Amino acid sequence: QKEVEQNSGPLSVPEGAIASLNCTYSDRVSQSFFWYRQYSGKSPELIMSIYSNGDKEDGRFTAQLNKASQYVSLLIRDSQPSDSATYLCAFLDTGRRALTFGSGTRLQVQP
Amino acid sequence: EAGVAQSPRYKIIEKRQSVAFWCNPISGHATLYWYQQILGQGPKLLIQFQNNGVVDDSQLPKDRFSAERLKGVDSTLKIQPAKLEDSAVYLCASSSHHSQNEKLFFGSGTQLSVL
Repeated sequence: QKEVEQNSGPLSVPEGAIASLNCTYSDRVSQSFFWYRQYSGKSPELIMSIYSNGDKEDGRFTAQLNKASQYVSLLIRDSQPSDSATYLCAFLDTGRRALTFGSGTRLQVQP
Repeated sequence: EAGVAQSPRYKIIEKRQSVAFWCNPISGHATLYWYQQILGQGPKLLIQFQNNGVVDDSQLPKDRFSAERLKGVDSTLKIQPAKLEDSAVYLCASSSHHSQNEKLFFGSGTQLSVL
């Protein structure tokens, strides 16, 4: 069973700080990785996708991928209280052609 | 563009009863997914359709769960009989095509409580 491992948290950071979220995955073949944000009681929404080793930046968000280490991370700069949510890491299971999700890391940004 | 529609939003049933959930994907989206999300966990794929055909149902408990997508558009997920451990949010998602870089669009989900 291919898996995604995430620290459940909560990760607490002060407003304006950088939040760092980490994820490891077991599928050595997958080429596609995703970060979803899920507010309490809401459905997941895609915030970042990354397919190549290195960094990908989008506004305050930076995704980092290291395929050799099977590691993907998400950095949130200038964290805001509105960023408080659960962040789900996912990869595309190439065998099943569907996303496999981790259990998520709960982020709390303190005003 | 209308999003993925799901109903009902909430459902409370007793164990051994049956329940059905409905999903209408974004217009034109060929691929439809049903995920189960238990509190504190990430979504787990139950079944995936490509048009009206099943692509993957390997994690669907087929002794009690069934799903169909008869005309390749909307879909129904049924549980019969329900167990306590089926309490979860059932998320429907769709994507435009079966691509490696496809983006999933999720519906608002159906929260099921089995008492």
